[in-house]
Amino acid sequence: GAGVSQSPSNKVTEKGKDVELRCDPISGHTALYWYRQSLGQGLEFLIYFQGNSAPDKSGLPSDRFSAERTGGSVSTLTIQRTQQEDSAVYLCASSLRDGYTFGSGTRLTVV
Amino acid sequence: DQQVKQNSPSLSVQEGRISILNCDYTNSMFDYFLWYKKYPAEGPTFLISISSIKDKNEDGRFTVFLNKSAKHLSLHIVPSQPGDSAVYFCAASGTTGGSNYKLTFGKGTLLTVNP
Repeated sequence: GAGVSQSPSNKVTEKGKDVELRCDPISGHTALYWYRQSLGQGLEFLIYFQGNSAPDKSGLPSDRFSAERTGGSVSTLTIQRTQQEDSAVYLCASSLRDGYTFGSGTRLTVV
Repeated sequence: DQQVKQNSPSLSVQEGRISILNCDYTNSMFDYFLWYKKYPAEGPTFLISISSIKDKNEDGRFTVFLNKSAKHLSLHIVPSQPGDSAVYFCAASGTTGGSNYKLTFGKGTLLTVNP
């Protein structure tokens, strides 16, 4: 596709349930990033994939959060046992050499 | 501890006038700075960047100024247009471009340009 695609665009889940968020990066982009934006906050770095290298997971807030990138393309961010503080917009971005292209995000609401 | 600070949550200007958005940073290792623009329900889009070896970068109506000694940068938009109304994020990284970097973002400034 022409841009970074994220699904679903909106997700409402009950506290304690697991959720999976998907990101389809721009074809050929070797780097993929996950950020989240909580209400009134800036974008918070979560995790970064670059080619076949080990991902940089330094931004994941707890061990309930994990992400994988299959075949160097599609990525899935999984949040286990969701909490209300996980409510945020989760943004995925990809890049090749310079500059990110962001997707439109997944708005996650934990009730 | 916020390493990138945008102290004005909002700014309102008149169409045709100059908009100045400010950003301060604390990490002296940052050497590459970017501005992103975000409309509601869309992802941020890249606007303009500047490397620490420069103090000014211009692209059409948008100019970014960097004052390294003050750890301060600003985005000037002139003339401002109603379509510029959006949230503007300042971001910084510790590498001078390339795909191998993660960005630290400020909280954003909501710019409203009134017709």
